[in-house]
Amino acid sequence: AQRVTQPEKLLSVFKGAPVELKCNYSYSGSPELFWYVQYSRQRLQLLLRHISRESIKGFTADLNKGETSFHLKKPFAQEEDSAMYYCALHPGSGNTPLVFGKGTRLSVIA
Amino acid sequence: EAGVAQSPRYKIIEKRQSVAFWCNPISGHATLYWYQQILGQGPKLLIQFQNNGVVDDSQLPKDRFSAERLKGVDSTLKIQPAKLEDSAVYLCASSPYMSANTGELFFGEGSRLTVL
Repeated sequence: AQRVTQPEKLLSVFKGAPVELKCNYSYSGSPELFWYVQYSRQRLQLLLRHISRESIKGFTADLNKGETSFHLKKPFAQEEDSAMYYCALHPGSGNTPLVFGKGTRLSVIA
Repeated sequence: EAGVAQSPRYKIIEKRQSVAFWCNPISGHATLYWYQQILGQGPKLLIQFQNNGVVDDSQLPKDRFSAERLKGVDSTLKIQPAKLEDSAVYLCASSPYMSANTGELFFGEGSRLTVL
């Protein structure tokens, strides 16, 4: 079965400091990994996907199959980055649903 | 483009009562999901529809939960009778794709249920 682990419930950093939100997964195949974000009083929305290899709002995430990780990183945190972040996994094919981690609340302190 | 609409936004009921949630997906989206999000946890899938057919309801507690999407558009999720542990936010999401492997799920604002 697929599982997504986000070990930190809360991460507090100062504005301008680097951010790393951790995500580890368990799945024996080649999954698709995603980061979703939920800002205060807003809907859950897709932030980025590993296959796109894109940088969104300064965030990047690299899929490390050896370590089964997909950590979300940003070199300089901004106050507007404060939100709940969820890592999600899909097996890569078929009609199976996304499996979400429990989420990490990022708080950026001015 | 209008987003996924859900109602009611908030509902408080006593245990053993019933409740229904409604979802209107983005126009043209064939796939619709209902997720349950308990406080402090990530969303957990309850049921997935493809048009008006059920694709996955393996995690739906069928003794008390039911869902339908009769015309392949709107969907309702019902709980009867409710238990204390059903207190959660019920999220509806839709996608234009059959598979979630693109990650492109569009979520509604959710319906927060409190069972007393």
